[in-house]
Amino acid sequence: QAVLTQPASVSASPGASASLTCTLHSGINVGTYKIYWYRQKPGSPPQYVLSYRSESDIHRGSGDPSRFSGSKDASANAGILLISGLQPEDEADYYCLIWRSDAYFFGTGTKVTVL
Amino acid sequence: QVQLVQSGAEVKKPGASVKVSCKASGYTFTALDINWVRQATGQGFEWMGSMNPSAGVTGFARKFQGRITMTSDTSVTTAYLELTNLRSEDTAVYYCARGIENGVDHWGQGTLVTVSS
Repeated sequence: QAVLTQPASVSASPGASASLTCTLHSGINVGTYKIYWYRQKPGSPPQYVLSYRSESDIHRGSGDPSRFSGSKDASANAGILLISGLQPEDEADYYCLIWRSDAYFFGTGTKVTVL
Repeated sequence: QVQLVQSGAEVKKPGASVKVSCKASGYTFTALDINWVRQATGQGFEWMGSMNPSAGVTGFARKFQGRITMTSDTSVTTAYLELTNLRSEDTAVYYCARGIENGVDHWGQGTLVTVSS
């Protein structure tokens, strides 16, 4: 089982919302981690979207709109990236990241398709 | 603004070594770690290691032990990754990324390393 598991794909219509999950391995409690989110378009490096540990510890990357928000679902042991008001330019791969036991772990990635 | 500019693509034979550079600008180079991450074509990301330009290596993934060297030259605000004994499965795009609190923010543009006989 991967440390961080993401659904392979999420699709939604323009203007809708898309919720991306990053589920932590069952031996790791999401509550203690700061989860970073990145967006990657084909042929480009990842772009930092935001990081979320708690409601009082959120940071958005430079240039990213407030359409992106973060949260956690403790019952699902997952971090969540919510994209509101989907736009065609949001179509990309999205990855999560945590720092644990002196190493970084990336999620498996979610391809977001704007229908 | 913060920029990380990497060296160009490389083609190497199996068993050879490769050295990738990452020139940083727009911030105090010695204040933050530089991380190295790679991505094989169509695959996800794999963290390789990190170093602080003033303090040295801060950590690396065990699978690269014995093959990875991370250095920096503060006089030119440049970090370097050297990977030795290359094999075909090392073919990937290699990225440097600036470290912040338990994460990374700015990324270099990536360097394609192709290992082929």
